[in-house]
Amino acid sequence: EDKVVQSPLSLVVHEGDTVTLNCSYEVTNFRSLLWYKQEKKAPTFLFMLTSSGIEKKSGRLSSILDKKELSSILNITATQTGDSAIYLCAVGTLSNTGTASKLTFGTGTRLQVTL
Amino acid sequence: GAVVSQHPSRVICKSGTSVKIECRSLDFQATTMFWYRQFPKQSLMLMATSNEGSKATYEQGVEKDKFLINHASLTLSTLTVTSAHPEDSSFYICSASREEYRGRDQPQHFGDGTRLSIL
Repeated sequence: EDKVVQSPLSLVVHEGDTVTLNCSYEVTNFRSLLWYKQEKKAPTFLFMLTSSGIEKKSGRLSSILDKKELSSILNITATQTGDSAIYLCAVGTLSNTGTASKLTFGTGTRLQVTL
Repeated sequence: GAVVSQHPSRVICKSGTSVKIECRSLDFQATTMFWYRQFPKQSLMLMATSNEGSKATYEQGVEKDKFLINHASLTLSTLTVTSAHPEDSSFYICSASREEYRGRDQPQHFGDGTRLSIL
């Protein structure tokens, strides 16, 4: 059974702090690892990682994949209250149909940024 | 960016009612769409993979006759919860991705979800 584990489960930081969120996985037929941000509704896409060691960056957020360690981290620098959300890690594996990947999600990290 | 629309956003209905949820990809064609369910304070659980023009593939433990999926076109998939009961109350979310490009996966983009409450 495919498994995705995120840590920590929750985190409270002060505005301006830097945070690192962790994701580890054990899956069959790995294709990609994705990070999503979920506020009140559905998840919004942040990053998709397929190659080990290549950092992806978007503003204050960055992420990197380590296929040897079967893990990924999501970094947020200079956090703001608007970063408060649940951050979900998902791993894409080959679906039964052999076309688009199916995603297995971790339980998420709940981040709260306070003033 | 890719836009996925889901409708309705909220449904409240009596036990025994059947409820249909629509998922549309607005600016791209999606051969495959996915249906997830999310219970409070839990992560998303894949229910089924919806394939255009063929039968859906259901995950273990998901009742095919309970959750009917139809993917009639490249931009529309529907999930019908038949004879819904209170235990079916949950947050249902669909996702879709563009076709693979040069053999590479494309990220799944999610609709806004449907909160289903069965009384």
